Amino acid sequence: AQSVTQPDIHITVSEGASLELRCNYSYGATPYLFWYVQSPGQGLQLLLKYFSGDTLVQGIKGFEAEFKRSQSSFNLRKPSVHWSDAAEYFCAVGAGEYGNKLVFGAGTILRVKS
Amino acid sequence: EAGVTQFPSHSVIEKGQTVTLRCDPISGHDNLYWYRRVMGKEIKFLLHFVKESKQDESGMPNNRFLAERTGGTYSTLKVQPAELEDSGVYFCASSRFPGQIETQYFGPGTRLLVL
Repeated sequence: AQSVTQPDIHITVSEGASLELRCNYSYGATPYLFWYVQSPGQGLQLLLKYFSGDTLVQGIKGFEAEFKRSQSSFNLRKPSVHWSDAAEYFCAVGAGEYGNKLVFGAGTILRVKS
Repeated sequence: EAGVTQFPSHSVIEKGQTVTLRCDPISGHDNLYWYRRVMGKEIKFLLHFVKESKQDESGMPNNRFLAERTGGTYSTLKVQPAELEDSGVYFCASSRFPGQIETQYFGPGTRLLVL
């Protein structure tokens, strides 16, 4: 069965520092991969997605992620974190016949120090 | 374009009571999904509607949960009778076209607390 692992439950970074959130997946074929963010009181917002093609994916709010098949990873990065990036981040893989049954990781809570 | 809306935003009920959650997808979206996040756990898939039909209900935990999507528009998720372990956040999501991978747009969730 498909699964997603986000090894870090909490991460704290200083404002302006770089960020990398880790995501590893288990899936037999080429995966459909997503990163969502949930700010307090908000729903999940899509940051970026990978379906095929270029393995470096650009998203909204200055985020990017790189699909590495050899490592079964899809890590999320941002070169300079802003205080407004404090939120919970979810990695997900698309499962089911059309990949639209999302399997989520446990989430990583990002805290930003000023 | 209005996003996915969910009602209520919060619900506190006692064990054994009934609760009905509502989701209004983005207009024109044929796919509607329900997910749940129990405290401290991952967000888990519950079921998927294509228009008014249940495409996949493999994630529904038991027969105390009943989901409907009358007319292929809004959906309701009823829990009857509610148990303590049903507490969590229930998310609804929608996407436009059936039969293909697409971005799912999520609502803000309904926070359910069963006492």
